[in-house]
Amino acid sequence: EDQVTQSPEALRLQEGESSSLNCSYTVSGLRGLFWYRQDPGKGPEFLFTLYSAGEEKEKERLKATLTKKESFLHITAPKPEDSATYLCAVQGGSARQLTFGSGTQLTVLP
Amino acid sequence: DGGITQSPKYLFRKEGQNVTLSCEQNLNHDAMYWYRQDPGQGLRLIYYSQIVNDFQKGDIAEGYSVSREKKESFPLTVTSAQKNPTAFYLCASSIGTGQGNEKLFFGSGTQLSVL
Repeated sequence: EDQVTQSPEALRLQEGESSSLNCSYTVSGLRGLFWYRQDPGKGPEFLFTLYSAGEEKEKERLKATLTKKESFLHITAPKPEDSATYLCAVQGGSARQLTFGSGTQLTVLP
Repeated sequence: DGGITQSPKYLFRKEGQNVTLSCEQNLNHDAMYWYRQDPGQGLRLIYYSQIVNDFQKGDIAEGYSVSREKKESFPLTVTSAQKNPTAFYLCASSIGTGQGNEKLFFGSGTQLSVL
C-alpha cells in the first residue's frame, strides 16, 4: 500500500525567510510524485510532477526535488501570497490512482 | 476558459436525505474523479471514471453513487447510507491516457454539511 507523510503539518515564516517542506513516501515502483497548492475553500492547483530520483523542477520561488524516499519543496524568499496548503501525492506502479498526503499549511507573514 | 465547474458551493443535507453534487468539465478530458477532503487528512478517492458509461469505486465508495452518461458530466450522489457526510468534496479530471501519472485539474469544491 502506498503511503505519503508530509511534514511539518504547519509552518510559519517571515517574508523572505527561505525554508523547505518535506514529503516522505513509500511506494512500489514510483510512477510519479506530484505537488499541488491549495488555497482555503478552493480546489488544489497543480505545481510539479517528478518522475525519478535526482530530478528537480522550478517555478518562480518554488523548487521541487526528489530522492528515492522523499521529495522537498524549497521556498526561496517567500512572499505572503505564497501562503497556502501544499499537498504531495504519489502514484506507485501497482496503484491505479494517486495517494495524497495530509498537506503542509504554510503561512508567510509580512 | 476551460475548466471544471462544481455546484453548489455550499450544500446542507437533512437526516435521511439524498443529495447530488454537480461536476461539469469543458476540458475534453476522458477521466473524472471525486475526492473527499476532511480537515487534517489527505484527499481520499470516492469514485473515478475513465470513460463514459463506466466508473470504478475508490477507497471510500460506501454511501455514495455516481453516473457518467456524458463525457462532460460526473455527478455524485451522497446517499442517506453515508452516516458522516460532512466534508469538502472535490471533483477532478485528467486527460485519461490510462497510463496513470497524469496531473489532475480540480474544481473549486462543494462544502457539504449536515443539518
